[in-house]
Amino acid sequence: QSVLTQPPSVSGAPGQRVTVSCTGSRSNIGADSDVHWYQHLPGTAPKLLIYGNNIRPSGVPDRFSASKSGTSASLAITGLQTEDEADYYCQSFDTSLSAFVFGTGTTVIVL
Amino acid sequence: EVQLLESGGGLVQPGGSLRLSCAASGFSFRNFAMGWVRQAPGRGLEWVSSLHDDGVATFYADSVKGRFTISRDNSKNTLHLQMSSLRAEDTAMYYCAKMAGHPTRNYYFDTWGQGILVSVSS
Repeated sequence: QSVLTQPPSVSGAPGQRVTVSCTGSRSNIGADSDVHWYQHLPGTAPKLLIYGNNIRPSGVPDRFSASKSGTSASLAITGLQTEDEADYYCQSFDTSLSAFVFGTGTTVIVL
Repeated sequence: EVQLLESGGGLVQPGGSLRLSCAASGFSFRNFAMGWVRQAPGRGLEWVSSLHDDGVATFYADSVKGRFTISRDNSKNTLHLQMSSLRAEDTAMYYCAKMAGHPTRNYYFDTWGQGILVSVSS
């Protein structure tokens, strides 16, 4: 049972903007732990999409952006493309559990 | 190019043991924390264990604490996960991952292996 909650799915048409929320608590996101985001296509290795709340690694398109506020964070995908259809996970560190925690995961569906 | 290659997975009976290994290349292995993350069938990603670059500081998820042991051999650029008292709920794809960030609460997994399947069943 994850301590970071995400919506099961979000959808949008090609070219649209979608957002994925990640809701935590004062012991993880709210404890000043950074939030990171991963993209995962079934059968492949997960890929780091955003680290340090809002930093894109080299090679990640600027269509992907993220932010953090209080005990929540969000990932935005603008100019949605068919290849963006995948599962997305947020991740942080919970100071009460002394554990790294992943969000419940969100499937982005391109209509 | 950073590469992580897991091995050692397979089918094991409940209560049995298995040792996963992760061969790392393309980076200075001894200078980075490493971790294991798993994904059970139909479920999301679940962090399992992490080990600091010093090989001493270790972290475990409550679900595996006391049953799994993470270790590293810096001379062979290899990460291990010794799993014992395995249960059906440990069935999952296990990913080895290189970690980055500072301090510990800001660690993230910047490179992942392709994963290795562990099935626990009689």
